[in-house]
Order: sequence, then structure tokens, then C-alpha cells
Amino acid sequence: KAGVTQTPRYLIKTRGQQVTLSCSPISGHRSVSWYQQTPGQGLQFLFEYFSETQRNKGNFPGRFSGRQFSNSRSEMNVSTLELGDSALYLCASSLASPGSYNEQFFGPGTRLTVL
Amino acid sequence: EDKVVQSPLSLVVHEGDTVTLNCSYEVTNFRSLLWYKQEKKAPTFLFMLTSSGIEKKSGRLSSILDKKELFSILNITATQTGDSAVYLCAVRHGGSQGNLIFGKGTKLSVKP
Repeated sequence: KAGVTQTPRYLIKTRGQQVTLSCSPISGHRSVSWYQQTPGQGLQFLFEYFSETQRNKGNFPGRFSGRQFSNSRSEMNVSTLELGDSALYLCASSLASPGSYNEQFFGPGTRLTVL
Repeated sequence: EDKVVQSPLSLVVHEGDTVTLNCSYEVTNFRSLLWYKQEKKAPTFLFMLTSSGIEKKSGRLSSILDKKELFSILNITATQTGDSAVYLCAVRHGGSQGNLIFGKGTKLSVKP
């Protein structure tokens, strides 16, 4: 079974631009979560999607948004990029079977550098 | 404020040593605690703990949760250089699958 895939793996942008990152979960997984990882703050929760609906959102500004498609693939968008948005963006998927809490499996991440 | 604290932040041991990594937490509506190993790439899942006192074991790694004292430990016996990594502890809280709060991690270096 293929793991979580993320594209692109590396991205370089300049301040003020916007960026879209993509995540394909493990087949059959319906929940997709996004995290930002930086050396100073560690791993921080961005948002979670399930059945095309955002179920939870972390403490990030509105410049960070996402969506999920009917095939469970998810995209994350960051508008008006700032230098501080440079980070590793990780996507994780979960089976999310009703009434239970399942393990989350991470993709390889997208390394975003903002110049 | 919800938080997860790991200790120590870094650790250097020699091959064959046994190590214990600590994770304490303060969260509302605790659901489960997860351990991950992160080398140069994405975190890889190790354990998920939901009940107190039940040890989870996988090879040389084991972990246990104490919901009364709000902590978990991850033990690694007979360490190998391949165990060198950052070990992350995360707590799931609330009613959602995806809302994990992570600790800052423990960086383990195993010397030959």
C-alpha cells in the first residue's frame, strides 16, 4: 500500500507570493491533517479535513487555508508569503473510522523556502 | 494552555545502552498519546497509547502511559546507531482525529 505522498517536495518562493501544496493520503484514509514544522516552534497543527469539511483549525492566520476533494486528496494554500512561513509542511492521513482514534501517518513533507 | 513537554531535549549514549525518554502533558479532553521517530524526513509512527498501565512493545522499543500522573515514557533497550533520531511525543485531544499537540522532541544520538 502506497504511503502518504506530497508534492512538490521542495519549493522556493519570494515574499508576497502565494503557494499551493498537495497531499494524497493513504488509500482508504479519509482524514487529512496539515502541520508546520520549524526549528523554533517544532510541529504545529494547521488544520484537519474529513469528508471535504474542515473539522479543526490551529492558531494560524487566515493566509493559511486548505481544502479536501471527494477522493480525500487535500491541498493547502498560503497567500502573501512571509519570511517566517519558511518551514517543512507535513501532511498526515488517518483512517478515521467512526468511534475510534486511529494512528496518523505522515508524508515526506514539502520544504518551503521564502526569500 | 494545552502543552506537551519532553525531556531531556537531547541525549548522547553508546551502543548497547538503555535509554528512557519522557513526555508529560497538560491537555483538555485527552484522547491518546502517540510517539513518533523522525530522522531526516517525515515522522514515522511508533506507538499510540490510550489506556494507563498497558505497555506497548515493538522489538527493543516499549512505551507506557500514566493517565493519573499525565506522562508517558519511551524505552529503548540495547540501543543501536540506527536509533539516532528525534523522538516526538504528541497528544490527541478533543473530539477530532487530527488535532495533535507535539512536544519539541528528544534528540537521541547513539555513538558506536
